[in-house]
Amino acid sequence: EVQLVQSGAEVKKPGESLKISCKGSGYSFTSYWIGWVRQMPGKGLEWMGIIYPGDSDTRYSPSFQGQVTISADKSISTAYLQWSSLKASDTAMYYCVRHGHTAPFNWGQGTLVTVSS
Amino acid sequence: SYELTQPPSVSVSPGQTARITCSGDALPKKYAYWYQQKSGQAPVLVIYEDSKRPSGIPERFSGSSSGTMATLTISGAQVEDEADYYCYSTDSSGNHRGVFGGGTKLTVL
Repeated sequence: EVQLVQSGAEVKKPGESLKISCKGSGYSFTSYWIGWVRQMPGKGLEWMGIIYPGDSDTRYSPSFQGQVTISADKSISTAYLQWSSLKASDTAMYYCVRHGHTAPFNWGQGTLVTVSS
Repeated sequence: SYELTQPPSVSVSPGQTARITCSGDALPKKYAYWYQQKSGQAPVLVIYEDSKRPSGIPERFSGSSSGTMATLTISGAQVEDEADYYCYSTDSSGNHRGVFGGGTKLTVL
């Protein structure tokens, strides 16, 4: 069974850095694209980007390029989403997704990030 | 940037057929996918590659695509189908960049 287990909720202040994680299991981690989807409070889903852990090829949505960094450590089957300087507008639920073909097939449970002074 | 357009809301009575549309310029060449999200839960894939149903998804869920429009059909909608539904596809660049539609709130009452 494919499982994506995300790290726990975070509360941060504006300007702080953050790295959240997603551990994949039940499949070959290096053979599938894995990525992140944002959902701001009361809003829709936004595709942020994906990484192919086999060779670290990374693709970003134009809306998120330069705003976040997606990475992966294939030795521990874990993907990451990272911010260098958080803003209040980064407050959202972030879902880890495993792509099948070209779309999210499996979803993690979500990580709630709250940025507030 | 590429966009997928969905109606904000659809409302049906139990047992009726609900149809949710998704329009996008690249849909003639790219597959559409559909996700159901119930309140407070992670999304679930209900249709992939325009019309295929993952295991465990009820047969009342079906999908189709023609030209620049994809459609999710729920035949005999149940109260438990009340949720937000999102379409998803990729742009025509070939770079695997995905995009979601704005979402449709389905009310069954």
